[in-house]
Amino acid sequence: DADVTQTPRNRITKTGKRIMLECSQTKGHDRMYWYRQDPGLGLRLIYYSFDVKDINKGEISDGYSVSRQAQAKFSLSLESAIPNQTALYFCASGQGDAGELFFGEGSRLTVL
Amino acid sequence: AQSVTQLDSQVPVFEEAPVELRCNYSSSVSVYLFWYVQYPNQGLQLLLKYLSGSTLVESINGFEAEFNKSQTSFHLRKPSVHISDTAEYFCAVSGDTGFQKLVFGTGTRLLVSP
Repeated sequence: DADVTQTPRNRITKTGKRIMLECSQTKGHDRMYWYRQDPGLGLRLIYYSFDVKDINKGEISDGYSVSRQAQAKFSLSLESAIPNQTALYFCASGQGDAGELFFGEGSRLTVL
Repeated sequence: AQSVTQLDSQVPVFEEAPVELRCNYSSSVSVYLFWYVQYPNQGLQLLLKYLSGSTLVESINGFEAEFNKSQTSFHLRKPSVHISDTAEYFCAVSGDTGFQKLVFGTGTRLLVSP
């Protein structure tokens, strides 16, 4: 089983709909992240969390919100989806001084 | 704030040829540097990292990267590529305040053909 699991893997929705992407990790890491990948733009950080009580905005947090329900779970919400939020979303976890992030396989979201 | 520049969006190369993927960074503090690889339809995986010590770091599958502080570079090289190396490669940087936030480059797609 994957260390970082994202659901759903693919989602097509309409403008204005509320969408939640879920992420869970089995590595016991404290830190969790949501990134967005767009062609030619690489990965951009949306939100990150260092523990259950700590939530931080990344460089592109507008239009998104997150919830850290437990150490192992970190969900990303789009309250009212818009077409330019069509992208591939990645969740990641990490801990310690190794500097390594462990990524999920991604959630592809299409907003029509 | 840190930033990463990967000048080449795509690098085509023939199998068994050498390859270099370029990465330059900008930071006002000491940095830690990483290369991640993304195979088709998969998430990112760590390929190699520079934290401290020797400026030349290697991966288990034959890639290497050299940290060059004076040129603010961390180029990725492999002397002989395989078809299976076809993937997108991302350079990333974090500052010495911790490893908590990685800033990624825009990625370089390596296309290896027979």
